[in-house]
Amino acid sequence: DAGVTQSPTHLIKTRGQQVTLRCSPKSGHDTVSWYQQALGQGPQFIFQYYEEEERQRGNFPDRFSGHQFPNYSSELNVNALLLGDSALYLCASFPGTGGYTFGSGTRLTVV
Amino acid sequence: AQSVAQPEDQVNVAEGNPLTVKCTYSVSGNPYLFWYVQYPNRGLQFLLKYITGDNLVKGSYGFEAEFNKSQTSFHLKKPSALVSDSALYFCAVSLRDNTDKLIFGTGTRLQVFP
Repeated sequence: DAGVTQSPTHLIKTRGQQVTLRCSPKSGHDTVSWYQQALGQGPQFIFQYYEEEERQRGNFPDRFSGHQFPNYSSELNVNALLLGDSALYLCASFPGTGGYTFGSGTRLTVV
Repeated sequence: AQSVAQPEDQVNVAEGNPLTVKCTYSVSGNPYLFWYVQYPNRGLQFLLKYITGDNLVKGSYGFEAEFNKSQTSFHLKKPSALVSDSALYFCAVSLRDNTDKLIFGTGTRLQVFP
């Protein structure tokens, strides 16, 4: 059984560019959350999607946007990239008996 | 503001010895508490959770955690550490229910020496 799949695993972008990260949730999971983990920090909640709508949002600017598709997969879009957006972006899907199931993340480097 | 604190950046322990990784929280209401582990270049793996009931929660890989409401703590423990337990450990809390966003601590690096 595949867990949460994220793509790409790594990417490098230039300041000011736009980026799209993708997430396929674990089979049977209909809720997807995105987190940003800066180096040396704990993950920070970006937003959560359920039934193709944003259900909760953390303290992130509008440059961060998302989408959920009918098959429950999700995208995270970041516009006008800043150096400070460099981080590991984690996707997590739900439900699960233990709470969220996390993917291995996408490492974004902004130069 | 809701927050989770992990006061130790790193915990060092010899293999075979007991280990404790500390976590305290500051939230209103009754929190849902979690521990996750992160290995290098990997996502987070669920270890255990507390929602209600018995204050001692048993989880994966021999880990357990003790919920203490008066001290607002949820320390992670293991009776006998393994070198393979070396990783980054995160305590997290959610506020409303099991689907709510997670608020994470800053993490504690556990180093188990042979």
